[in-house]
Amino acid sequence: DTAVSQTPKYLVTQMGNDKSIKCEQNLGHDTMYWYKQDSKKFLKIMFSYNNKELIINETVPNRFSPKSPDKAHLNLHINSLELGDSAVYFCASSRGQGGGQPQHFGDGTRLSIL
Amino acid sequence: RKEVEQDPGPFNVPEGATVAFNCTYSNSASQSFFWYRQDCRKEPKLLMSVYSSGNEDGRFTAQLNRASQYISLLIRDSKLSDSATYLCVVKDNAGNMLTFGGGTRLMVKP
Repeated sequence: DTAVSQTPKYLVTQMGNDKSIKCEQNLGHDTMYWYKQDSKKFLKIMFSYNNKELIINETVPNRFSPKSPDKAHLNLHINSLELGDSAVYFCASSRGQGGGQPQHFGDGTRLSIL
Repeated sequence: RKEVEQDPGPFNVPEGATVAFNCTYSNSASQSFFWYRQDCRKEPKLLMSVYSSGNEDGRFTAQLNRASQYISLLIRDSKLSDSATYLCVVKDNAGNMLTFGGGTRLMVKP
């Protein structure tokens, strides 16, 4: 069984469109995250939710809106897509926020903007 | 200065070699440290946590030097399957945010 699953795996779309990426974890974790990995391979945190509550909101354009309907799901909606949004987006989860809790990653959504 | 810095490599080594990677971090209040491994076009996966006293997991040894703010990873007896990018990861003192280094690419050759 996949622990952290993201859909879709690949997303190719045109500039200006609105798209959503879904993430679900079946690990019973309380905290979920969205990361962006750009073409230079740097992984950067975008958002973090703990028990459906937003706890980290890095400097991200407000075209990006996360939604957590329950603690097992964290979706990412992106409005008015731009060329610079092309990247791999990873969802992750962890048992809690503190201490040495490692994060488990989904296998990524590869977003390409035409 | 980047928060977590790594030599991007690539490190090209023959099978059986011992290879070491270093990583430096800027936030002296950081509390938790990890090494993740990322294969090409795959997600990052936890390789090992790094403890203050140093820790070993099979062929892998991780060490932390808080005074100098660096973390190291030593791989002994390299295998072809060790070829990947190794990401140094630091967790802030609030425990919420992981900051990733840019990764060090390792290529193990026959």
